[in-house]
Amino acid sequence: QSVLTQPPSASGTPGQRVTISCSGSSSNIGRNSVNWYQQLPGTAPKLLFYNNDQRPSGVPDRFSASKSGTSASLAISGLQSEDEADYYCATWDDNLGTRMFGGGTKLTVL
Amino acid sequence: EVQLVESGGGLIQPGGSLRLSCAVSGLTVSSNYMTWVRRAPGKGLEWVSVIYPNGATHYPDSVKGRFTISRDASKNTLYLQMNSLRADDTAVYYCTRLALLTPPNEYFDFWGQGTLVTVSS
Repeated sequence: QSVLTQPPSASGTPGQRVTISCSGSSSNIGRNSVNWYQQLPGTAPKLLFYNNDQRPSGVPDRFSASKSGTSASLAISGLQSEDEADYYCATWDDNLGTRMFGGGTKLTVL
Repeated sequence: EVQLVESGGGLIQPGGSLRLSCAVSGLTVSSNYMTWVRRAPGKGLEWVSVIYPNGATHYPDSVKGRFTISRDASKNTLYLQMNSLRADDTAVYYCTRLALLTPPNEYFDFWGQGTLVTVSS
């Protein structure tokens, strides 16, 4: 069980806005930057956000990310069928001295 | 364009050994922080090794003492030697580049397509 807690699943209909949470603690999210990765079915993970809210080139601005205290969140507005994927948060944990991923959230577009 | 191409996966019996390779183009392996990340069936992502430009290596407890990350600068290739394999090592293994911000902040920015390792009798 990961120290970064994500809901195992989320869903929405096309055009909706959905958010995915990532809950941590003072030793990880509370002190360090959070990254988000998207893994489409059958493909390699892709960097979606780094340093809490920095979007790499090519990531649509329908995607946004934020961090507050010991939690982070990923928001997708104008949901599209091609957004159906697994989403992971990640950060460094100072107490464990290691990098870690959240358990992942499977997003379903209904 | 950066490309990372893994190879070497396959079916291996418990207790066996396997070496994965990652041929890299578009960046210099020996000048970058390079890692292996895996995803087991039905599970999430797990970081399994990193090698720094100075050659230092680190592993999580789950693979420490069994896995060894290395590189060949002349071939610009990254490797993962996996020994004493167990069923729970079954996963797709991805080669990645680790980009650094102010330590310990970092992120995996380039990923290979992955290679499947199946540990089963």
